[in-house]
Amino acid sequence: QSALTQPPSASGSPGQSVTISCAGTNSDIGRYNYVSWYQQHPGKAPKLLIYEVTKRPSGVPHRFSGSKSGNTASLTVSGLQAEDEADYYCTSFAGGFYVFGSGTKVAVL
Amino acid sequence: QLHLQESGPGLVKPSEALSLTCTVSGDSISTSGYYWGWIRQPPGKGLEWIGSFYYNRATFYHPSLKRRATMSVDASKNQFSLKLTSVTAADTAVYYCERELVDGNPAGFWGQGILVTVSS
Repeated sequence: QSALTQPPSASGSPGQSVTISCAGTNSDIGRYNYVSWYQQHPGKAPKLLIYEVTKRPSGVPHRFSGSKSGNTASLTVSGLQAEDEADYYCTSFAGGFYVFGSGTKVAVL
Repeated sequence: QLHLQESGPGLVKPSEALSLTCTVSGDSISTSGYYWGWIRQPPGKGLEWIGSFYYNRATFYHPSLKRRATMSVDASKNQFSLKLTSVTAADTAVYYCERELVDGNPAGFWGQGILVTVSS
């Protein structure tokens, strides 16, 4: 039932790429392909960016991409833009419930 | 267009029950074929999944909240509710109601959230 582990912070300059990791276990990320990523700006509700590890909802730019290897999922933001500065959370199905990551604050330098 | 709106008291006393309602427009809880649920976020902290349900079929809760949380539906009003009993200061959070985007993928759609403070 522990939260998934994300780095507290990440940063990059405009135009660069940043990758955020999300470490789980073989009971959640390692077992299921139901990994999602959310972006949250201050004072706002989170927004779904990625679902089922790699899929993007309609309207989410292609520069957001997801992947998974073993018990770790990753979100890559390519071509960083100022508006990408936000908190990012991963979540995974864990068999009857969902567990969230601890969150990563992304700064655009 | 789907819209979710949370409502309820913003202040609850310790040891009492927290009750919130989510009013849905733009979709029908009873016929949509999606899971609906609740997620919370303590001030300055991360997100926590509380639970979700599929109308008249299944209900799931996070193991850490299972003993205290109950979700219910009023299909006639297209609303669903959360009741959390025996609250403490640790339950102070912004509570969001949500609907999945597609099967198995939570929180594709969110309400704006409501801050509930537990304090005497």
